[in-house]
Amino acid sequence: QVHLVQSGAEVKKPGASVKVSCKTSGYTFTSYYIHWVRQAPGQGLEWMGIISPSGGSASYAQKFQDRVTMTRDTSTSTVYMELRSLRSEDTAVYYCARDPWGDSGRYGVDVWGQGTTVTVSS
Amino acid sequence: DIVMTQTPLSLSVTPGQPASISCKSSQSLLFSDGTTYLYWYLHKPGQSPRLLIYEVSSRFSGVPDRFTGSGSETDFTLKINRVEAEDVGVYYCMQGVQSPITFGQGTRLEIK
Repeated sequence: QVHLVQSGAEVKKPGASVKVSCKTSGYTFTSYYIHWVRQAPGQGLEWMGIISPSGGSASYAQKFQDRVTMTRDTSTSTVYMELRSLRSEDTAVYYCARDPWGDSGRYGVDVWGQGTTVTVSS
Repeated sequence: DIVMTQTPLSLSVTPGQPASISCKSSQSLLFSDGTTYLYWYLHKPGQSPRLLIYEVSSRFSGVPDRFTGSGSETDFTLKINRVEAEDVGVYYCMQGVQSPITFGQGTRLEIK
């Protein structure tokens, strides 16, 4: 059974960084891209970027381009999302999510992690 | 970026009655392989989103057959045949035909 298990809730001060992990299991880690999507309180779903677990290449939403880095560790089948220079507007639930299509130019999400709450407050 | 527009943004439905949600995209979601990459998700409070429908009309594993997706190109609909109490939450459409993937604003379904 496919599982994406994320790290626990974080509380950060403005200007700090946060690194969220997403440990995968139940499938071949390198065969499926991983998206990161967030939801701020009272808001909808917002795409942040995507990473290829096989090669490690990542593509980011323009909004986060200069503040986010997505990485992976193939030895533990884990992907990471680091967001820097946090501000109060970054308070949100952050989700990792599996894409079934790989490097095909098309996208989708079939399985989601449980979410990680990140609170940015002074 | 492709803009996804859902209507209505909220609806209140009596159990056993049908419900319908519309999703319109600013560009065609038809990919070069002939498949249309439009998805529907249900996001319940305190849970992660759950895939209901993929490629416009295919139900994901375990999804009850009271959920039906339809549409083409830029105009899509999710229908719930007979709403049950467990169907409450926010429904999102999402496009996967180009990056960045984009979501509709969400439609909140509540039970009367």
